[in-house]
This record gives sequence, C-alpha cells and structure tokens, in this order.
Amino acid sequence: GAGVSQSPRYKVAKRGQDVALRCDPISGHVSLFWYQQALGQGPEFLTYFQNEAQLDKSGLPSDRFFAERPEGSVSTLKIQRTQQEDSAVYLCASSPSRTVLLSGANVLTFGAGSRLTVL
Amino acid sequence: AQTVTQSQPEMSVQEAETVTLSCTYDTSESDYYLFWYKQPPSRQMILVIRQEAYKQQNATENRFSVNFQKAAKSFSLKISDSQLGDAAMYFCAYRTFTGANSKLTFGKGITLSVRP
Repeated sequence: GAGVSQSPRYKVAKRGQDVALRCDPISGHVSLFWYQQALGQGPEFLTYFQNEAQLDKSGLPSDRFFAERPEGSVSTLKIQRTQQEDSAVYLCASSPSRTVLLSGANVLTFGAGSRLTVL
Repeated sequence: AQTVTQSQPEMSVQEAETVTLSCTYDTSESDYYLFWYKQPPSRQMILVIRQEAYKQQNATENRFSVNFQKAAKSFSLKISDSQLGDAAMYFCAYRTFTGANSKLTFGKGITLSVRP
C-alpha cells in the first residue's frame, strides 16, 4: 500500500486479556519497527525486524510481549495478560533495505498507531 | 547507548514569527542520521527534516532548517514564518547503522503551540 497501515486503531482490553496489534508495512520495505508511546512521551523502541528475522528485541518490556513477522511483510505485536501499564499507543514503522539506507534514503515511515487502553 | 535530550517541554510562537526547538544527543558513533519528526493530534508521525552527520551543510526544507553542531552534539530546528498548522509535538531522533543496531532513538518531544 501507499503507507503503513495499523489495526485496530483503538483497542480497549480488560486487565488479563490478550491483545494482537497488526502492522502492514509499505510494500517492499525490508525493515520494520515497533515502538511504544506513553501519553505525552516520546516513542520507545520495542523491536526490529529485517525481513522475517527479528534482529533486536531488546526493548520488549517483559516476556508478555511477543512480535512476529513470519513472511517478512505483515507483523503482529502480541501482548499477553495485559496490565494497566501496557496502556499506550503502539507505533509501527517501516523503511527500505539497508543498501538504500546507506545511499541516503534513510527514512522511517510511521503508521497512525494503535491506541491500547487496559482497564 | 545513544540518548536524545529535548529539555523544553513546551514552546509557543506567534503566527508568522520564527521559533527554534532545541535538541542535544550523546553518541560515540561517527556516522549517523538525525531527524525531526512532527506528530499532530492524529498521531501520524511525519518526517520534517533529516541531517546526515557526515555533511557539514545544514539541511533545509522550505520553512524548516536545522543548526547542526556535530562537535557540540546539538541539532536544533528552526521554523520560519510559523503557521497554525505547525502546532504539534516535535520529536528529535537519532539513528545509526552499526550492524543490527538500526533503531531510531527519540527524545521526549516538545509541544509547540502557534498563537494566531
């Protein structure tokens, strides 16, 4: 598609429920990132994929958070047994291949995010 | 680890005037990129301007320009002829390309309001 698409746009979950957030990156973009943005704060890195390989998951706050990108395109961020502190906007971004990055077209394009509220 | 600091939580500017948003960063890398992103209430993060660290010339995009001071690790954004549509949160961000460490690191952001 023309941009990064995220769904759902809004999600309300009861504490303890599992949620799944979807990201459709720009077609052909190799790199995909997930960020967590608390209210009034800057986005915090969660995890990074290059194609289907998860190269960096150092930002995932606990083992309740899991991300996958099985075919190197669509990605899903799953949060198990949600807690109130998980309430945030979850942003997905994609960017072209590394070779393109080095040539200067190094831009992350972001989706509009999924706002998760845990009651 | 890289850090990005935006020490001003809020700023206000009169329409048509000029405003400068400050950003400092810390890194041991020599090759990296710096960005300013705009986030309106719609939450869509929009790229405003980028700067390659190896370029001495400051980047410019229409009414937006940067003052990049590599030695001081400073990267400020100047908005000229401010418009009502410029009101948003602005985030300074850093990115390197060392191996798998290709993530974008953001500052906490600054809320810019534009007075008519």
